[in-house]
Amino acid sequence: EDQVTQSPEALRLQEGESSSLNCSYTVSGLRGLFWYRQDPGKGPEFLFTLYSAGEEKEKERLKATLTKKESFLHITAPKPEDSATYLCAVLGGQNFVFGPGTRLSVLP
Amino acid sequence: DSGVTQTPKHLITATGQRVTLRCSPRSGDLSVYWYQQSLDQGLQFLIQYYNGEERAKGNILERFSAQQFPDLHSELNLSSLELGDSALYFCASSVGGLVGEQYFGPGTRLTVT
Repeated sequence: EDQVTQSPEALRLQEGESSSLNCSYTVSGLRGLFWYRQDPGKGPEFLFTLYSAGEEKEKERLKATLTKKESFLHITAPKPEDSATYLCAVLGGQNFVFGPGTRLSVLP
Repeated sequence: DSGVTQTPKHLITATGQRVTLRCSPRSGDLSVYWYQQSLDQGLQFLIQYYNGEERAKGNILERFSAQQFPDLHSELNLSSLELGDSALYFCASSVGGLVGEQYFGPGTRLTVT
């Protein structure tokens, strides 16, 4: 059965303090790994899709990387507006499996 | 604003009832996805339609059904509602298939009393 875990569950950073979020997965035949950002009460917002181990993608202060067992979302010099829940999901076969998310708070 | 619209925003109904949630995808998107998000289960994929045809199925209960119409809007029907069906229901759309970038709507909050 496909599974996704995320750590830490919650993370508090000072503005400018870089860190990484982890997504560990077990899937039969990975077709894609996805990162989303979700603000309270809103729909998830697409960030990245990674397809194979070794792939990296960047967008502003965010960089996503992928290995055969996990993905990292690196946040460089975060700002308060980066505060949100970050969700990781995998697509194996025809089913998306989402992790529980990491709740990030960036304090000014 | 993602360009995906969902109606209604809120829905309150009683156990045993049936409701219909509606979704209009972004202009040009052919795929529509339905998700359920609850506090205890997180975000769960229910079903995907592409250009009117069912393409992928996730953890969708038999009491739930969906369809996509020729104008590409989609409806999710939930019947014999139970208290545990209370959740946020999101619709998302993408241009192509499952690995495409998905744009989520604002969601419909369903409360079953």
